[in-house]
Amino acid sequence: NAGVTQTPKFQVLKTGQSMTLQCAQDMNHEYMSWYRQDPGMGLRLIHYSVGAGITDQGEVPNGYNVSRSTTEDFPLRLLSAAPSQTSVYFCASSYIDEQFFGPGTRLTVL
Amino acid sequence: QQQVKQSPQSLIVQKGGIPIINCAYENTAFDYFPWYQQFPGKGPALLIAIRPDVSEKKEGRFTISFNKSAKQFSLHIMDSQPGDSATYFCAASEGNTGFQKLVFGTGTRLLVSP
Repeated sequence: NAGVTQTPKFQVLKTGQSMTLQCAQDMNHEYMSWYRQDPGMGLRLIHYSVGAGITDQGEVPNGYNVSRSTTEDFPLRLLSAAPSQTSVYFCASSYIDEQFFGPGTRLTVL
Repeated sequence: QQQVKQSPQSLIVQKGGIPIINCAYENTAFDYFPWYQQFPGKGPALLIAIRPDVSEKKEGRFTISFNKSAKQFSLHIMDSQPGDSATYFCAASEGNTGFQKLVFGTGTRLLVSP
């Protein structure tokens, strides 16, 4: 099993550009989520999904969109990138309590 | 407002020492308290977790102590090794079922010197 995979590993964007961070899991987990990690702030929940077709907002959802058309995939879309979205983004999947995190995407917005 | 406060920010111990990382929370509805370990360039991984029906939980060299009345919990690493050098995050969430919306502490960078 590959677990949780994320692409790309690194990305540099200019302000105003849009992009999609990809996340996939092969563990057949119901729940998937996106977090951002910033220095001195820990991880903060952006959006999450409790199943295909069902998504909800987390603590810091502004500027991000998600959708979940399949159990396996949970992409995160940045609509119009801003320097404040420079961060490391982690996708996670879970069945009950334990969340399994992907390796992360380091995003820089210039 | 930080719902889960973690300290210290960084910690250096010698091999064999017992680092202790502390977390405090305000929301009395929290009922799940995991600790995650993160190595550089990797995603966090669950280390150990506790629910408030017990005051202590041990898994190998890792122990969580939980004080419900003080709204505090801590991670102890017995006989620490250089391989334990990592960043540790405490977290908390509420609800026995369904998706756990984790609220993380700010992290503790641990260095275990040989």
